[in-house]
Parts: sequence; structure tokens; C-alpha cells
Amino acid sequence: DAGITQSPRHKVTETGTPVTLRCHQTENHRYMYWYRQDPGHGLRLIHYSYGVKDTDKGEVSDGYSVSRSKTEDFLLTLESATSSQTSVYFCAISEELGSPLHFGNGTRLTVT
Amino acid sequence: GNSVTQMEGPVTLSEEAFLTINCTYTATGYPSLFWYVQYPGEGLQLLLKATKADDKGSNKGFEATYRKETTSFHLEKGSVQVSDSAVYFCALSDGGSARQLTFGSGTQLTVLP
Repeated sequence: DAGITQSPRHKVTETGTPVTLRCHQTENHRYMYWYRQDPGHGLRLIHYSYGVKDTDKGEVSDGYSVSRSKTEDFLLTLESATSSQTSVYFCAISEELGSPLHFGNGTRLTVT
Repeated sequence: GNSVTQMEGPVTLSEEAFLTINCTYTATGYPSLFWYVQYPGEGLQLLLKATKADDKGSNKGFEATYRKETTSFHLEKGSVQVSDSAVYFCALSDGGSARQLTFGSGTQLTVLP
């Protein structure tokens, strides 16, 4: 299994509070991704990174920011959480664009 | 834009039954096609892939053939097991951009003993 660790695994937070989710990889893969999974929507890309300090937006990036200061870590921040951001968040990595993704086990976030 | 359409679930089968999960796609160019599987409480895992027309991907008894003429990539297994119970996602990738990886909405499969 690819070495991907997401933390925390579960979090409950209140509307308006900031939240940071962490993804750590031990595979030295160049590409890292944040997806959210919601019933009926499959997985939707939030942001991705193609190298240290190189990031770009996905299809549902509003309300989210990311940072990648080291190859192995990719952080997702909700600056001011809203109830619509209640979801399961998955980090993924890949060696190259178009290569299969390897996923972490997810973070279940509940915004009350 | 690209899109992936999967058959609606949930699908419930008895052990040893034949499985088909339909997947059709819309894409420009010549995408790669994937099936991912998600077991409860886990992330998605690559099950199989095909990168060009008429390729057949296979793994763990599952198969899918890339049909360009019908823009389909249906997942099949001849004899399912209880351990195959999971959510299955069809996906396509144009390869040119991270935004070009598109997932279907997933199909929940439950196999009863």
C-alpha cells in the first residue's frame, strides 16, 4: 500500500472556525490532490499540487486553500468552515499526470 | 467537458452470481479508463485500467474492455464473493491536466452469502 497518512481521521467543528487537514506521503510522488466525496457526486477535485509550492485549483475550490512546503506534506485549509463543507475528504498522490491515483483513508469532517 | 455515467445502485447479488456494472463516458480525445474500488472506511484503490481502445483490464477476477465505438467500460465478474461488497467507481483521465480526471458517482455492491 502506498504510504499516505491523513490526519485527523474524524473532526467535528463549528461553523465559522478554521480547519486544517493534513496529508503526509512517504512515496516521494510529485503530484498530490485533495478530493471531497459526497453522496451522488462521486469524487470532486478541490486543489492539487504538482510540486513544492506549486498548486492549482480544482472544480470545487471555493472556500478552500492549500499549501505544500515540503514534498511529503499537503495541507488543506478551510478558512471559515460552513455546513456545506461537511464531507469526507481524501488525499491522493500520483507519480505523473494520468498515472493511477493512490488514496489515503480519508478524513470525515462534520461542520455543525 | 468530460463526464462519466455509472449505473445507479445499490446492486445486491447472491454469492457466485454474475456481476455487470455499466459505465459510459463522454470525452474529447483518447482518454485512459479506470475502475476504482472503495471498501468501507477506506480510500479508493485502483482495481484495473485500460489505456486504449479494445484494451481489456483485469484484476482479481474483474474485467473491463475499453469500447470506443460505444464509449463504454463496463465492469464484469463471473462469480462474485461476499468480500467483493464495496463501492465501485468508474473514472477517466485525459492525462493532460489534473482536472481531467473525472469520476462517476459510484455504484454500491452488496453480495449476500
